[in-house]
Parts: sequence; structure tokens; C-alpha cells
Amino acid sequence: KNEVEQSPQNLTAQEGEFITINCSYSVGISALHWLQQHPGGGIVSLFMLSSGKKKHGRLIATINIQEKHSSLHITASHPRDSAVYICAVTGGGGADGLTFGKGTHLIIQP
Amino acid sequence: SQTIHQWPATLVQPVGSPLSLECTVEGTSNPNLYWYRQAAGRGLQLLFYSVGIGQISSEVPQNLSASRPQDRQFILSSKKLLLSDSGFYLCAWSVGLRILKQRGGLDTQYFGPGTRLTVL
Repeated sequence: KNEVEQSPQNLTAQEGEFITINCSYSVGISALHWLQQHPGGGIVSLFMLSSGKKKHGRLIATINIQEKHSSLHITASHPRDSAVYICAVTGGGGADGLTFGKGTHLIIQP
Repeated sequence: SQTIHQWPATLVQPVGSPLSLECTVEGTSNPNLYWYRQAAGRGLQLLFYSVGIGQISSEVPQNLSASRPQDRQFILSSKKLLLSDSGFYLCAWSVGLRILKQRGGLDTQYFGPGTRLTVL
């Protein structure tokens, strides 16, 4: 079974700061997902990665398959970025569900 | 476009009572369907997934069960709720296996709004 570790668990930063959230996993995967969960509980998929790097607006996600490690970066952070960011992985490339990290609670102060 | 619905949004139930949570997906056919739970202070956990009508895979043994009576309907049930069943229940879908294979086996998952269950 894959073990997914995220760091940090909690992060408070000032508006405008560059944010990095890290994720590592123990077993080879077919894809890694970054998810965002807002206080109401709803979850939105930000990225799905199998290699390399993806960028969407101020968000950048990278993955190193050899090192079993991924990072999520937020540039020019804003209070509306405050949320829980969750790393999750899928293994077999079929219909298997996601295995999740425990999440990083991010607060961006104005 | 595809949408996913869950109801109810919140539910308070006594210990020992039955449970039925419903999830439906619109705008797609033969989706893979998933039930997840987020217990208080804990991470998300896969409970069940389904690749087709009547096909259910269970990840965690517990007093919950799932059924898929129709292609785009996924139901989570319990005959007798426990205090430990409290949590936030999320349904999700992804494209079906045939399309997954065409795409190389990778697809994101789309989450419903969730049901917050409190067992007292």
C-alpha cells in the first residue's frame, strides 16, 4: 500500500509570498493529484501529473518520478489561496481510487 | 457538461439507525464511481469504487456497504450506524475504463459537494 506524506502540515504566510508544499510517496504510481479543499469541504482537482511540470495561473506542480516526490508552488500568494491542499496518488492506471496525504492547511494573511 | 450531485448535504442520525446516501452523475456514461470518507482530524480514505452496474470493490472492511443500481447512481448504506461513522462523505467520478485505456489510463477525479454525517 502506498504511503503518502505531505509537509508542512500547517503553513501561515503573508500575502505575496512564494509557497511550496511537498509530497512524497512510497510506491511507484501512475499519477499524482493535487487537490484543494475549501472550508465548506468541497474538493477541486488542481493538477494531475505523471511526469514533469504543469502550470495553471499562479499554481505550479512538479513531480520527480525517480525520487517519488512532488511539489506544489503558489506564486504571489493571496488570501483567497487559503485552503487545505491535498496530495493523492493512483497506482494501477485503472479504476483504483486515490490514496491521500493528510493535507496541508495553508493560511495567507493580508 | 458533467455534474455530480450528492444528497443530503448534512445529516444527523442516532447510533443504530440506518443510512442511505445517494450520488448521481449527469452528462457522462459508464463512469467509474467512488465513495470517500474524511473523519474528523483525519485524511481522506477510499471506501468503495465501482467500474459498472452491480460491480463494487471495497477497500476498508466496516459496517458500510455500497450499491450501483444504475449506471450513474451510487448509493452508500448502513444497516446500523456507529459513532465512528461520523464524517464527511464524498462521492467522485472519473471517466470509464474504456476511455481510460484510450487516454493511457490516466484521468482526474471529479468530486461531489459532500455529505456531512453526524452520528449521535
